[in-house]
Amino acid sequence: GAVVSQHPSWVICKSGTSVKIECRSLDFQATTMFWYRQFPKQSLMLMATSNEGSKATYEQGVEKDKFLINHASLTLSTLTVTSAHPEDSSFYICSASDRGRSEQYFGPGTRLTVT
Amino acid sequence: QQQVKQSPQSLIVQKGGISIINCAYENTAFDYFPWYQQFPGKGPALLIAIRPDVSEKKEGRFTISFNKSAKQFSLHIMDSQPGDSATYFCAASRDSSASKIIFGSGTRLSIRP
Repeated sequence: GAVVSQHPSWVICKSGTSVKIECRSLDFQATTMFWYRQFPKQSLMLMATSNEGSKATYEQGVEKDKFLINHASLTLSTLTVTSAHPEDSSFYICSASDRGRSEQYFGPGTRLTVT
Repeated sequence: QQQVKQSPQSLIVQKGGISIINCAYENTAFDYFPWYQQFPGKGPALLIAIRPDVSEKKEGRFTISFNKSAKQFSLHIMDSQPGDSATYFCAASRDSSASKIIFGSGTRLSIRP
């Protein structure tokens, strides 16, 4: 149980284009989803927290107009990187938690490369 | 106050030995302390977690020791195996599904055969 999937697992895009990453909870209802980015050999950096049906809460320093987060249902959240630049290249990871439980379950990550 | 400090940054242990990773926190409001294991190119996987009402939790070869007064907790991996080679993150949060997790900086563990 408690499986979280991400799609795509990797993506290469040209500078200036937008990329959408999907995060799905497969066997539970995710009342809260979190989006992280991780640079090589570094820890996870929380970008934003989203609750189903409400606007995401962004961490300080994260541009909400650049990283659009939509948590439209209890099993799906999307992260759209708009007008991507090479410095946005990173490993993006989502996690999800179920109502009443503290455990966060992580997706397998999406490797984004912007050329 | 939000930081979780983790050490060592990297660790090499012989097969069969004990791997020990230490973490410390400042915020006394934290009441949920998970450990995550991450392999290269993969997302972190929840390994084991503890709440401050107990001082130790054991699951198989993995044990968390928790010292509430010192605000420290540690992960012990007994009989370490080459398959345990990964990056380990300690973390802390409030015991709530909506609480964000504060991660430590990570420990790269290598088990030598």
